[in-house]
Formats: sequence, structure tokens, C-alpha cells
Amino acid sequence: QKEVEQNSGPLSVPEGAIVSLNCTYSDRGSQSFFWYRQYSGKSPELIMFIYSNGDKEDGRFRAQLNKASQYVSLLIRDSQPSDSATYLCAVPTASGGSYIPTFGRGTSLIVHP
Amino acid sequence: DVKVTQSSRYLVKRTGEKVFLECVQDMDHENMFWYRQDPGLGLRLIYFSYDVKMKEKGDIPEGYSVSREKKERFSLILESASTNQTSMYLCASSLQPDEQFFGPGTRLTVL
Repeated sequence: QKEVEQNSGPLSVPEGAIVSLNCTYSDRGSQSFFWYRQYSGKSPELIMFIYSNGDKEDGRFRAQLNKASQYVSLLIRDSQPSDSATYLCAVPTASGGSYIPTFGRGTSLIVHP
Repeated sequence: DVKVTQSSRYLVKRTGEKVFLECVQDMDHENMFWYRQDPGLGLRLIYFSYDVKMKEKGDIPEGYSVSREKKERFSLILESASTNQTSMYLCASSLQPDEQFFGPGTRLTVL
């Protein structure tokens, strides 16, 4: 059973700060990860999917995977109050032609003006 | 845009009732999933389906069953609802490995 661990927070930062959200995983063979954002009362939405060692950037969001240390990070630069949400990390397992994610419990982020 | 819809946003049922939660996607996705989400426990996979009439158990299938008669529709069935099944239920669909699209969720309360 793959395990995915996240600090539950809440992490509270001022607007404009650089935020680093971390996720550790137990299966050394894992090579890809999802990051989702979930606003209060809403369903998760995919921010980023990364595969293999290295970084991926999309606007203000950057995902970094460190296989040697078994963690993946999501960096948010120039954070905004609209970034306040819970961020979920997930480890996919290939099954039946799709990837079945095991989710971490999420980190709550609060960006205050 | 991909659209995943769920039959109800809020549902209140009594212990012992049979409950149907319906999920429909409009993008011809092969894969569909049912999760429940509870405070402190995160998202947990109940069942998933990668083709019509195909289903696989997730991490917590006990007390649930599913039906997928048509590609676009995936139903979650609580045969005899219990209070510990009070939760937020989320449906998702995907075609490519790098994407999962979630529905708005159904908040089920079992009294």
C-alpha cells in the first residue's frame, strides 16, 4: 500500500510570499505525482501532473520531484488570497489503462492580504 | 470543457435505506471513479471502472456496490445505508493518465 504524507497545516502566509508545500511518499518506485487544489466546499481540481525526475512549471506554480529523498514539492510564487485552499498530493498506480491515485490528506494554505 | 455531474448536491437518508448516487460525464471517458472524503482522512477510493460493465474495488469497498451499464454513467449504491457512511462523495472521470476531472460532490447524511 502506497502512503502519501502531507503536513495538514494550516500554513498561513502574507500575500506575495513564496509558498512551498511538501509531500513525502513511501514507495521508492513511484515516478509520477498529481497536485490538486481544493477550495472549501468544492471538489479537487488538477493543478499539475509530473513524471520522472525534474521540475515542471506552469505560471506561478512549480512542481519539483526528488526521487532520492522521496518527496515532491509544489512551489507557489507571488501567492494571492485566491490561492487559499487545501492542496492535495497524490501518487498514481497504473491499473487498467489509467492511473489510480492514492491521495495525501492535504495541506491547508491561507494567504492573507 | 469536460463536465462531470452528480445527481444531488445534498442528500439525507435514513439508516437501512438503499441509496443511489449517480454520476454522468460528457467526454466519452473510459475511466470513472468514486471517492469519499472525510475530515482528517482525506480522499479514499471506493470503486473504479475502466470500461462499461467493468469494475474494480478500491481501498474501502465494504458496504458499497457500483454499476456501469453505459460508458457515460457510473452509479454508486449503498445497499443498506449506515450512519458511518455519512460523508462527501466525489465522482471523477479520466481518459488520459495525467488527468482526473471531479464532479461537484454529493454530501450524504444518514440519520
